[in-house]
Amino acid sequence: DVKVTQSSRYLVKRTGEKVFLECVQDMDHENMFWYRQDPGLGLRLIYFSYDVKMKEKGDIPEGYSVSREKKERFSLILESASTNQTSMYLCATRAFSSSGNTIYFGEGSWLTVV
Amino acid sequence: GEDVEQSLFLSVREGDSSVINCTYTDSSSTYLYWYKQEPGAGLQLLTYIFSNMDMKQDQRLTVLLNKKDKHLSLRIADTQTGDSAIYFCAETRGGGKLIFGQGTELSVKP
Repeated sequence: DVKVTQSSRYLVKRTGEKVFLECVQDMDHENMFWYRQDPGLGLRLIYFSYDVKMKEKGDIPEGYSVSREKKERFSLILESASTNQTSMYLCATRAFSSSGNTIYFGEGSWLTVV
Repeated sequence: GEDVEQSLFLSVREGDSSVINCTYTDSSSTYLYWYKQEPGAGLQLLTYIFSNMDMKQDQRLTVLLNKKDKHLSLRIADTQTGDSAIYFCAETRGGGKLIFGQGTELSVKP
């Protein structure tokens, strides 16, 4: 089974703190994604990475950066957390195969910024 | 528009069929997806459809794709209380991006 692990399920951080959200996958997938999920807005794409050291901005990259130094790990960084970044963050990976194009999600990280 | 659109709420009675609708934006999307999210959990892939198909059936789930209208639907037959969840449709866009709708909260009443 594919495993996508987000290191922290629940975090509480102070405004202005630097926050790291880590995502690790064990299936050698090239593509990895970070989304945030807010009620009524669905999932919005923050950044995605199509390979090691490669990244592309999603729809809402402001206030975030990412790092992909190794294929299995994709980190989301909040340089200076703000209260409007309180949300659930979901990491996903994608496999390409002859039977389809499947995306796997982690369990999510609930971040509260106070 | 730029967004993938879904209605936010749907309520049905147990045993009825549920139909969740989605309008997507990119006519070149190769795959379209339906995901289910139960309370407090991550997203679970329910099914997907390749863009050269009109319909896909998988047990109680039927996906219909109307490419001309860019309309996707998910039908759940014999809806059960365990089907209560938020359902997201998603499309693939250029560059490999996967874009989701706002989610439809399905409430199943006994």
